[in-house]
Amino acid sequence: EVELVESGGDLVQPGGSLRLSCAASGFTVTNHWMYWFRQVPGKGLVWVSRIDSLGTDTGYADSVKGRYTISRDSAQNTLYLQMNGLRVEDTGVYYCGRDAGFCSISSCRRQGYFPDYWGQGTLVTVSP
Amino acid sequence: DIQMTQSPSSVSASVGDRVTITCRASRDINFSLAWYQQKPGKAPKLLISTTFNLQNGVPPRFSGSGSGTDYSLTISSLQPEDFATYYCQQAFTFPLTFGGGTNLEIK
Repeated sequence: EVELVESGGDLVQPGGSLRLSCAASGFTVTNHWMYWFRQVPGKGLVWVSRIDSLGTDTGYADSVKGRYTISRDSAQNTLYLQMNGLRVEDTGVYYCGRDAGFCSISSCRRQGYFPDYWGQGTLVTVSP
Repeated sequence: DIQMTQSPSSVSASVGDRVTITCRASRDINFSLAWYQQKPGKAPKLLISTTFNLQNGVPPRFSGSGSGTDYSLTISSLQPEDFATYYCQQAFTFPLTFGGGTNLEIK
């Protein structure tokens, strides 16, 4: 059974740092792209970052570029999000997601970019 | 970036009603459209991918349609467990973008 479990959310002051983790089970992160999303409680969903199945190609929303770093540890089957220079507007529930496409060593089978499994989320609050 | 305009933002309906939610992309997304259901305090759940494809375990009262820039999610006969917030997401290109959500409430 596929499961994603996020951790690391906390209350932090503006300018501070946090590292979020997303422990994956029931599949191997080296076969899937992975995502981070953010949701302010009561508001909509925002894509934050992605990493490819090889762990070498990453992408970020403009609002976090240069401040956040996505990475993964294939041995631990875990995804990370290092968040530096945090701002009040970074506040929200952060979800990790598994891309629905399946990747072998040479190619990926996909029909678009979307998560088929989500974690339960971890709350990040940035406040003075 | 591709903007996703979802409507209505809120709808009140009764058990047994048929409800349609629409999503308009700012440019052609070539059927790369996913729909999610989210209940309070829970993660989004994928209902439909690539415009039409119902995910395993999702009841057949849910269906998706559309092409080009215009897409829709229809629930043919609302059940009590369907009252939730629904989001569309364009899966065509990065940055991935979502519609603003539709809050489906019990009338």
